[in-house]
Amino acid sequence: AQSVTQLGSHVSVSEGALVLLRCNYSSSVPPYLFWYVQYPNQGLQLLLKYTSAATLVKGINGFEAEFKKSETSFHLTKPSAHMSDAAEYFCVVSETYSSASKIIFGSGTRLSIRP
Amino acid sequence: SAVISQKPSRDICQRGTSLTIQCQVDSQVTMMFWYRQQPGQSLTLIATANQGSEATYESGFVIDKFPISRPNLTFSTLTVSNMSPEDSSIYLCSVEAEWPAPPETQYFGPGTRLLVL
Repeated sequence: AQSVTQLGSHVSVSEGALVLLRCNYSSSVPPYLFWYVQYPNQGLQLLLKYTSAATLVKGINGFEAEFKKSETSFHLTKPSAHMSDAAEYFCVVSETYSSASKIIFGSGTRLSIRP
Repeated sequence: SAVISQKPSRDICQRGTSLTIQCQVDSQVTMMFWYRQQPGQSLTLIATANQGSEATYESGFVIDKFPISRPNLTFSTLTVSNMSPEDSSIYLCSVEAEWPAPPETQYFGPGTRLLVL
């Protein structure tokens, strides 16, 4: 079975600083990996996805993530944080076995931005 | 991408009553999923609903408590039965992307915020 672990339930950075949200996964098969963002009182939005093409994936709003198989990681980064980045971020791994695809959510990381 | 709408967007209900949540998709999809997000927590899959067959429930969820209908390829309902305050959550509907989008990409509805008093 696959699993995903997000390190740090809450991350706080200053506006303009680097954002780094950590995600590690376990999988016995090549995984599909995603980052979703949930803004306050809004639904989930796909930020970016890794589907076995380029290991460095660029998403919306200046975010990117790098798939590192040797480290089983898929950390999310953004060079310069904006106040509007304050949200809950979920790392997600997809099971690819059988005829049903299910995605497994990490526990989430709440990102706060300090002025 | 798929556009998903849910009704109601939020509700406040009395314990012991039931609420049916509707999920509408703007295109035909094979698989639909229902998730629960309890306050301050991540998403938990409740069940998978395929058109024309019984829904498949995850461990800890049963049909008597969360009956699901899937009458066609664009619509599904989830009923939260005999509600208690512990059922207060956000309930989300999602669908799996159809070709040519990569599989294992899911789109989510805006969610239904349920508060049980």
